[in-house]
Amino acid sequence: DGGITQSPKYLFRKEGQNVTLSCEQNLNHDAMYWYRQDPGQGLRLIYYSQIVNDFQKGDIAEGYSVSREKKESFPLTVTSAQKNPTAFYLCASSHIGRDGLSGNTIYFGEGSWLTVV
Amino acid sequence: AQTVTQSQPEMSVQEAETVTLSCTYDTSESDYYLFWYKQPPSRQMILVIRQEAYKQQNATENRFSVNFQKAAKSFSLKISDSQLGDAAMYFCAHREIYNNNDMRFGAGTRLTVKP
Repeated sequence: DGGITQSPKYLFRKEGQNVTLSCEQNLNHDAMYWYRQDPGQGLRLIYYSQIVNDFQKGDIAEGYSVSREKKESFPLTVTSAQKNPTAFYLCASSHIGRDGLSGNTIYFGEGSWLTVV
Repeated sequence: AQTVTQSQPEMSVQEAETVTLSCTYDTSESDYYLFWYKQPPSRQMILVIRQEAYKQQNATENRFSVNFQKAAKSFSLKISDSQLGDAAMYFCAHREIYNNNDMRFGAGTRLTVKP
């Protein structure tokens, strides 16, 4: 099935530990995104990438890092520098530019819950 | 970066009635897309409807329609014949096409449907 796969669904982080959230897509999309959602809040953009080996910071990039070595994969590392990482994380992907087929729709994975213990 | 504002944190509607959710945005671009996404308790983001800025005709998807006012930078969602399954968080989103290509979301509106 085509889609976006995020793993793990639930992750626990100890203080001072780095953790990595996986995101894989088989939709042949050029662009991939990471959003953070706090309880009762909207989605805030962490990082996005429009092409392999290139990515841009979003609104809340501090304490996070990403890589884009393959078109299909866009992992997010939550570093120990992120002081309040407990949140729901959503990965997304889309075509770029004007895309008549999808209307530039961004498609989302099912999300990952990260909790600090 | 562009901003998206949803001024109604919560709304409620009686089953079978109509409700309108508000959204305004700020952008310096003339060509962009606008979206409404629904997020039920499962947290899955579901596309409800999308609108291309260069199209003057308002988008419609079954019971869902939008009122797109480009000059006012307003993009409201109307849900007709509300159903219990419509209860969810609704997010308005704006996406530029040629500048950065990123997407920004509003803070959301929690919709409750009363039986």
